[in-house]
Amino acid sequence: DAGITQSPRYKITETGRQVTLMCHQTWSHSYMFWYRQDLGHGLRLIYYSAAADITDKGEVPDGYVVSRSKTENFPLTLESATRSQTSVYFCASSESGGWRQPQHFGDGTRLSIL
Amino acid sequence: GENVEQHPSTLSVQEGDSAVIKCTYSDSASNYFPWYKQELGKRPQLIIDIRSNVGEKKDQRIAVTLNKTAKHFSLHITETQPEDSAVYFCAASDASGSARQLTFGSGTQLTVLP
Repeated sequence: DAGITQSPRYKITETGRQVTLMCHQTWSHSYMFWYRQDLGHGLRLIYYSAAADITDKGEVPDGYVVSRSKTENFPLTLESATRSQTSVYFCASSESGGWRQPQHFGDGTRLSIL
Repeated sequence: GENVEQHPSTLSVQEGDSAVIKCTYSDSASNYFPWYKQELGKRPQLIIDIRSNVGEKKDQRIAVTLNKTAKHFSLHITETQPEDSAVYFCAASDASGSARQLTFGSGTQLTVLP
């Protein structure tokens, strides 16, 4: 599944700083998603996008901003990082059409906010 | 919105025994139910999925059963092996909707003891 890549893999920053996590996919999938993974909570959806220039909130969007100017890229920005945003972030993508919607995940970004 | 509960949170079995993980969902409109396996430090990967018009699906040693009336579905792993040790996540989605969001359970840590 090398078709979806996240960068950086690890990031340490301080509270109040802005940080952007990158996600790039080469499959031309219409849908892209950002999740955060915390112990005891599984995967929680932050934002998703159905196509370029179309984004929508998920379960936990507060404190995050996304954009999707190109189909292949879906960056996630923490405008003013807080310690509660320390987490592992996963980007995923899936095709449009049909009932089957397997989501393909990137390797994740481990973000620590001090 | 959809709520998915997953049990147990941890499960230990002897190698060769079977393992069963159960999930319940709240939204009767959900009609797509994938299962993901996540090894330590790795990305979640789809292992099997099922549509609501199918009661059971098998793929070698893994199977998923769905009871739409009771709104629960289960993952069955037979003849467990040490490499089955991982965190397993269930998820549910309304595949007929445009959002294609997955709601995940909180995960089950499966340990297969040699």
